[in-house]
Amino acid sequence: GAGVSQSPSNKVTEKGKDVELRCDPISGHTALYWYRQSLGQGLEFLIYFQGNSAPDKSGLPSDRFSAERTGGSVSTLTIQRTQQEDSAVYLCASSSPYGASGFRTADTQYFGPGTRLTVL
Amino acid sequence: GQQVMQIPQYQHVQEGEDFTTYCNSSTTLSNIQWYKQRPGGHPVFLIQLVKSGEVKKQKRLTFQFGEAKKNSSLHITATQTTDVGTYFCAGPLWNGGSQGNLIFGKGTKLSVKP
Repeated sequence: GAGVSQSPSNKVTEKGKDVELRCDPISGHTALYWYRQSLGQGLEFLIYFQGNSAPDKSGLPSDRFSAERTGGSVSTLTIQRTQQEDSAVYLCASSSPYGASGFRTADTQYFGPGTRLTVL
Repeated sequence: GQQVMQIPQYQHVQEGEDFTTYCNSSTTLSNIQWYKQRPGGHPVFLIQLVKSGEVKKQKRLTFQFGEAKKNSSLHITATQTTDVGTYFCAGPLWNGGSQGNLIFGKGTKLSVKP
């Protein structure tokens, strides 16, 4: 596709409910990242997928958060038993695994528009 | 652990004034990237610096990478209201094998008074 897409753009849920957020990365990008951004704050890293490697889950704030990536493309971030402090914008980004030099490097990340999650 | 720090956190300028944000890493970086996030938008890649001492310009924006590759700066000359947003720097995160990830600074939020 032309860019990273995310759905839904907005999600309002009640405390205690589960939510699923979807990310469609740029075609051909094997790296996919999830971030959380609270109002006026920086980017909080959540999880990183790179090809078929085991994901880096070091940023997930609790075991209520999980993510999967099916077929090396679309990713779903699931938040179980949502809490009010989960309210934030959830951003997805993708990148190519190789920089312009051809060597594996931390390449440019292309961000989606985000999903704004509000937990009432 | 590895850290990337940005200062200042906020900057308010009058339109036409210059603006600079600084980025400092606790470790040597192979490259550094800068992103801009407009209010209500998502981060958008601006530029990547790779070489020690590298300077790159994009119109009124000047980016520098320090000689030791541990710090960087973004300077905007004669700010305009279109420059409003949060500027993030980011460098490769190396944590024992998770290559390909970036560590972002907390950003500098720029506001411009017309």
